Amino acid sequence: DAGVTQSPTHLIKTRGQQVTLRCSPISGHKSVSWYQQVLGQGPQFIFQYYEKEERGRGNFPDRFSARQFPNYSSELNVNALLLGDSALYLCASSSRTGLMDQPQHFGDGTRLSIL
Amino acid sequence: AQSVTQLDSHVSVSEGTPVLLRCNYSSSYSPSLFWYVQHPNKGLQLLLKYTSAATLVKGINGFEAEFKKSETSFHLTKPSAHMSDAAEYFCVVSDRNSWGKLQFGAGTQVVVTP
Repeated sequence: DAGVTQSPTHLIKTRGQQVTLRCSPISGHKSVSWYQQVLGQGPQFIFQYYEKEERGRGNFPDRFSARQFPNYSSELNVNALLLGDSALYLCASSSRTGLMDQPQHFGDGTRLSIL
Repeated sequence: AQSVTQLDSHVSVSEGTPVLLRCNYSSSYSPSLFWYVQHPNKGLQLLLKYTSAATLVKGINGFEAEFKKSETSFHLTKPSAHMSDAAEYFCVVSDRNSWGKLQFGAGTQVVVTP
């Protein structure tokens, strides 16, 4: 079975631009979460979606937004890019949410570089 | 509130010797705890999880971890390191108040020397 897939794998943007990152969860998984991993640090929680509804939001500015589609895939959008947005963006899926013991399965991430 | 502290940012071991990665956690509720591994330019792979069952948890690739509530610790061990174990390791906590949000530690970089 396919794991969590993310696209694109790498992306280069300039300051002020907008970017959209995409994620397809494992088949049958209804929960998708997004994390930002800055070089040398642990991932930081951005959003969680379950059944197309936002269930959690981390401490990120409103420039960050996301949505989940009926097929449970998800997009992360970042507007007005800043140099500090350069990071590896990870998507994770799990079968359910609200159940803290459900392991989250991660994709390989999208490496976003801002020039 | 929940948080994780990984006590070592770097660990260097010789191939064939034991590995110990230390993790302390803080959680307002009974936590679930995880260890993930990240190889260079890759996503995160789940090694093992603790979810209030047995306190000694066995994971993949010979890793295991012990949950000690009195010490608020969840240390990861492996009896014999392999070269392929060289990677970044993250201790992670989640609790029932966080709706599945994972709180990651800062990570421990493991170097394995021949």
